[in-house]
Amino acid sequence: AQSVTQLDSQVPVFEEAPVELRCNYSSSVSVYLFWYVQYPNQGLQLLLKYLSGSTLVKSINGFEAEFNKSQTSFHLRKPSVHISDTAEYFCAVSDPFGAQKLVFGQGTRLTINP
Amino acid sequence: DTAVSQTPKYLVTQMGNDKSIKCEQNLGHDTMYWYKQDSKKFLKIMFSYNNKELIINETVPNRFSPKSPDKAHLNLHINSLELGDSAVYFCASSARGEMNTEAFFGQGTRLTVV
Repeated sequence: AQSVTQLDSQVPVFEEAPVELRCNYSSSVSVYLFWYVQYPNQGLQLLLKYLSGSTLVKSINGFEAEFNKSQTSFHLRKPSVHISDTAEYFCAVSDPFGAQKLVFGQGTRLTINP
Repeated sequence: DTAVSQTPKYLVTQMGNDKSIKCEQNLGHDTMYWYKQDSKKFLKIMFSYNNKELIINETVPNRFSPKSPDKAHLNLHINSLELGDSAVYFCASSARGEMNTEAFFGQGTRLTVV
C-alpha cells in the first residue's frame, strides 16, 4: 500500500520569502509523484509531476520539487512567494503500473502575509 | 470549455433523502473517478471507472452507487443520505494509455446533509 505524509498542516510566510512544503511517501513499488494546488472554493489543479528522468521538476509559476528516492521525499519549494500563492497544496503518489488512483497527503495550507 | 464539469456545485438536503451528482468530461479520457474531500480537507478515492467498467471500489458504503452511461460521464447516486456524507465530492478523469500521468479534476460538489 502507498501512503503520503505532509509534515506541515499550515505554513505561514511573508510575501517574497522562500518556502518549502514537505512531502514524504511510502511505497513498495516505483511511484509517480504529484503536487496539486487547490485555491479557495475551487477544484484541484496539477502544479507539477515527477514520472521519470530528471529528479528536479518545475512549474510555470516558479515552483519546483525534487524527487529524492533515498529519503522518499518530494518537497515543494519556491524561492519567492506571492499573495496569489495562498492555497492548499496536496502531495500525491500513484503506482505507474497498478490501480489508477492517486493517494493524497493531508494537505498543507500555505498562507502568504503581506 | 470546461474539461471536467460537475453539477450541482452546491447541494443541501435532509437526512434520508436520495441525491445524484453528475459529471462529464470532454477530454476524451477513458478513466473517470470520484474522490471525497472531508471537512479536514483529506482527499480519498471512492470509485474508478475505465470504459464504463468499475475498476476501483474503495470500501464505500453501498448507499453510494456510481453509474457510467458512457465513458464521458460518471454519475454518483447516494441513497439514504446521512450527516456523515457531508463533504466535497470531486470528479476526475485521466487517460489510461498514459499510465497515471495526470488526473484532471472538476470544481467539486459541496454536499451538506442536515
